[in-house]
Amino acid sequence: AQSVTQPDIHITVSEGASLELRCNYSYGATPYLFWYVQSPGQGLQLLLKYFSGDTLVQGIKGFEAEFKRSQSSFNLRKPSVHWSDAAEYFCAVGAGYSSASKIIFGSGTRLSIRP
Amino acid sequence: EAQVTQNPRYLITVTGKKLTVTCSQNMNHEYMSWYRQDPGLGLRQIYYSMNVEVTDKGDVPEGYKVSRKEKRNFPLILESPSPNQTSLYFCASSLGGRDTGELFFGEGSRLTVL
Repeated sequence: AQSVTQPDIHITVSEGASLELRCNYSYGATPYLFWYVQSPGQGLQLLLKYFSGDTLVQGIKGFEAEFKRSQSSFNLRKPSVHWSDAAEYFCAVGAGYSSASKIIFGSGTRLSIRP
Repeated sequence: EAQVTQNPRYLITVTGKKLTVTCSQNMNHEYMSWYRQDPGLGLRQIYYSMNVEVTDKGDVPEGYKVSRKEKRNFPLILESPSPNQTSLYFCASSLGGRDTGELFFGEGSRLTVL
């Protein structure tokens, strides 16, 4: 069965520090992978996606993620975080017979920023 | 403005009283989906629809119904709500196909069942 694991429930980093949020997936074929961000009281917004090709993908708000097939990982990174990055982050994998009809989300990582 | 609109945003109801949460999108998207968000569980898919009159169960469909009579609307129906359906609900839409995962989300509907 397809699944997504985000091993870190809550991470706190200092403003200006670098960030890496971990995501591991389980899927039999080449996955479609996504990162979403949820600000307090809001819906989710797509940060970036990976379908194929270059394994390092760039997203909005200065985020990037790297697909590593050998590690079944799709970690999210940002070189220098800002206080406005405090939010909850969800990794997701596209699954299902059309490779996209079923989107499975991880349980999320809450990011806090230390001033 | 491109958006997914859910109503109501907040609702408190009692066990067994039927309710409907509406969802409408103005982007001509083919794919629509309902999720519930619970602490520590992330988002779990309730139902999804790949096009008009085509719906399918997600991971947690029990106690819910949906319909897709028009492309823009995808209401979520709780025929007989129970306290375990207290949750934050999100409707989302996308173009479908390979772009299914590029979801646009509504702002959420917080439901409390007493």
